[in-house]
Amino acid sequence: KAGVTQTPRYLIKTRGQQVTLSCSPISGHRSVSWYQQTPGQGLQFLFEYFSETQRNKGNFPGRFSGRQFSNSRSEMNVSTLELGDSALYLCASSLSIGELFFGEGSRLTVL
Amino acid sequence: GQQLNQSPQSMFIQEGEDVSMNCTSSSIFNTWLWYKQDPGEGPVLLIALYKAGELTSNGRLTAQFGITRKDSFLNISASIPSDVGIYFCAGPRSNDYKLSFGAGTTVTVRA
Repeated sequence: KAGVTQTPRYLIKTRGQQVTLSCSPISGHRSVSWYQQTPGQGLQFLFEYFSETQRNKGNFPGRFSGRQFSNSRSEMNVSTLELGDSALYLCASSLSIGELFFGEGSRLTVL
Repeated sequence: GQQLNQSPQSMFIQEGEDVSMNCTSSSIFNTWLWYKQDPGEGPVLLIALYKAGELTSNGRLTAQFGITRKDSFLNISASIPSDVGIYFCAGPRSNDYKLSFGAGTTVTVRA
């Protein structure tokens, strides 16, 4: 069974640009969550989608947005990038509450 | 939100030693999860605990769900070099898929 796939794995952007990250969940998993991981803040919840609807949202500014498609694939977008947005962005899919299966992440560097 | 306090923050251990780390919370959890993250990878679920007092093993790993439902510990027996990584405790809020994560315990094994 294929795991959670995230693309791209690495990317470099400059301040003010925007970025879109993609996530393909494990087949059959309808819940997709996004987390930001930084050395200083650890793993911070961004949002969770289920059946194309955002069910939960973390405490991030409106520059961070996401969506889920009918095939459960999800994208997240960060607009007007800031230096502090440099992080590992992790996507996770789930079949039941709590047991998240993570992808390898997309490492974003903002210059 | 719910905060998980994980300790120790880091540890250096000799190969063959047993390792113990724990996680506490001021709130009750119905599920405790332990994840391991290798460098450059996403977290991988090691053990899931669903019942207070439950003791569960996965190879050399043993985890327990505290009786008070406010704590959990993870033991690694006879550590080997591939045990290097960051171990996270996590728990879902009562009725949704959002996970709260501890800050992580970084384990380094000396050969």
